[in-house]
Amino acid sequence: GDSVTQMEGPVTLSEEAFLTINCTYTATGYPSLFWYVQYPGEGLQLLLKATKADDKGSNKGFEATYRKETTSFHLEKGSVQVSDSAVYFCALSEGAAGNKLTFGGGTRVLVKP
Amino acid sequence: DTAVSQTPKYLVTQMGNDKSIKCEQNLGHDTMYWYKQDSKKFLKIMFSYNNKELIINETVPNRFSPKSPDKAHLNLHINSLELGDSAVYFCASSLGAGDAFFGQGTRLTVV
Repeated sequence: GDSVTQMEGPVTLSEEAFLTINCTYTATGYPSLFWYVQYPGEGLQLLLKATKADDKGSNKGFEATYRKETTSFHLEKGSVQVSDSAVYFCALSEGAAGNKLTFGGGTRVLVKP
Repeated sequence: DTAVSQTPKYLVTQMGNDKSIKCEQNLGHDTMYWYKQDSKKFLKIMFSYNNKELIINETVPNRFSPKSPDKAHLNLHINSLELGDSAVYFCASSLGAGDAFFGQGTRLTVV
């Protein structure tokens, strides 16, 4: 079945540091890929997505590129802020699977001033 | 206006009780979901409905029964609650393309 693996946290960074969160996936078909963010005490929000190979999703300074050859969708941000402290989830969705989201285990990011 | 709203936000109850969580979306989406997030933040699909029809039931105990009276509502009823049911339950909706809008979550604590 489908699965998503992402690096375990917590990841602790100083403000303005570069952030990378690794994500790899296993899927039977051609999934869409997503990054969701969960701020403390809140639900998940879609951060960015990519629907086909070589697509780059971007939002709020975050970027991720759909790499079919390495089955990866790593999240990057060039200069993090304290407000980026959250849990980040990589996920995939396949239409044939009812469009459900299959999530990775989440990576907690803590940005210190 | 809240896009996906679920009530209650917190629910503390004793083992063996029956409880319900309600969810409503005002986005006009056809598909709604219930996800469970455990204490380690791991998220897993429970159910999916499309236009009031059950699409996905991911090996959830039959003590959990979703009900969708219309495509804007998806409620979750849980019978005979167990300690292991303690978790955060998220309702979500989507147009069917995978990207979903999530509610704020309901933190269920069974004591």
